[in-house]
Parts: sequence; C-alpha cells; structure tokens
Amino acid sequence: AQSVTQLGSHVSVSEGALVLLRCNYSSSVPPYLFWYVQYPNQGLQLLLKYTSAATLVKGINGFEAEFKKSETSFHLTKPSAHMSDAAEYFCAVSEGNEKLTFGTGTRLTIIP
Amino acid sequence: EPEVTQTPSHQVTQMGQEVILRCVPISNHLYFYWYRQILGQKVEFLVSFYNNEISEKSEIFDDQFSVERPDGSNFTLKIRSTKLEDSAMYFCASNPGTGANVLTFGAGSRLTVL
Repeated sequence: AQSVTQLGSHVSVSEGALVLLRCNYSSSVPPYLFWYVQYPNQGLQLLLKYTSAATLVKGINGFEAEFKKSETSFHLTKPSAHMSDAAEYFCAVSEGNEKLTFGTGTRLTIIP
Repeated sequence: EPEVTQTPSHQVTQMGQEVILRCVPISNHLYFYWYRQILGQKVEFLVSFYNNEISEKSEIFDDQFSVERPDGSNFTLKIRSTKLEDSAMYFCASNPGTGANVLTFGAGSRLTVL
C-alpha cells in the first residue's frame, strides 16, 4: 500500500528565503510522485511530477523537487520565497494508473 | 489549456436530500476520479472510473454514493441521502491514461449539508 507523510503542517518563511517542504513516501513499486498546490478557495494545481526520469524535477513558479530513493523522499524547494507562494501544498504518490494518495498537506505562510 | 469543469461550485442541501455533482473531464482522457476534502483535512480518494465502470473505490464510497458517465462527456457523483458529514469540497479529476498518472483536477464543488 502506498502512503505519504508530510512533516510540518505549517511552515513559515520570510520573503526571499529558501522554501523547503518535506515529503516522505512509502510504495511497494517504483512510485510516481507529485506536488500539488491549492490556493485559497481554489482547486488543486499540479506543481511538478516525478515519473522515473530525471531525479531532479523542475516545476512551475520556480519550484523543484528531488527524488531520493535511498531516503524515500521527495522534498519540495524554492530558492527564494515570494508572497504569492502562500498556499497549501500537497505531496502525492501513485503506483501507476491508480489513485493518488495525498499527504495531509503543508500550509506555507510567507512573512513580509 | 484543457481543463476539468465542475458544477455547481457550491451547493447547500438539507440532510437526507439527494445531490448530484457534475463534472466534464478533459475530452480525450480515459480515467476519471472523485476525491473529497473535508474542511481542514487532507484530500481523500473516493472512486476511480475507467471503461464505463468503477475500477477502484475507497471505504468512504458506500452504497449512498454512485457515479455515472451517462453521455460520454459528463461524469457525475450522486449522493443518495446526504448526511452532515458529507459536507466537503468534492474534486473531479481526469487522467489521459498514457504513461504517468498525471491527474488534472477541477476547481471543486463545495457541498454544505444542513
């Protein structure tokens, strides 16, 4: 069975500082991994995905994530936070054309 | 860019009433899903649909829930007799079914059961 753990339900960073949102996964087969972002009162927007190609994945809005099999991690980073990055971020895992299993989410707050 | 559209955006209903939430997935996609998100909680899988039948469903998806793709374009979620705990945001998603499992989500339908 697949699962995702997101460490830290709330993360606050200063504008211009590094953003690091943590995600660890469990999967019985090589996984597909995703980060979605949810802005207030909106749906889920795909930020980036890992599908067994390059381990460093670049997404939209300057975000990237690195797949580390040895650590079963897929942490999301952005070098310099912007006020518009304030949102809820969800890590998700899939084992193929199956359902996505989401983490509990991390609310990112940007301090001016 | 192709998108998944959902209607209504918000529905308020009385407990015990039937509700139908509608979704128009991306036209060439083959897999369809419903997820829900209770306020303040994580996004939970309800059901997946492929080749005109349910391919997987969660424990949440009990006999009160049903899905249908009546006309080849719409994908509906019906809740037969709503309960207070059905209040949530319901997200529809679709997946082309080619290679990676990249779901495109709709903006959601907020259901409030009174």
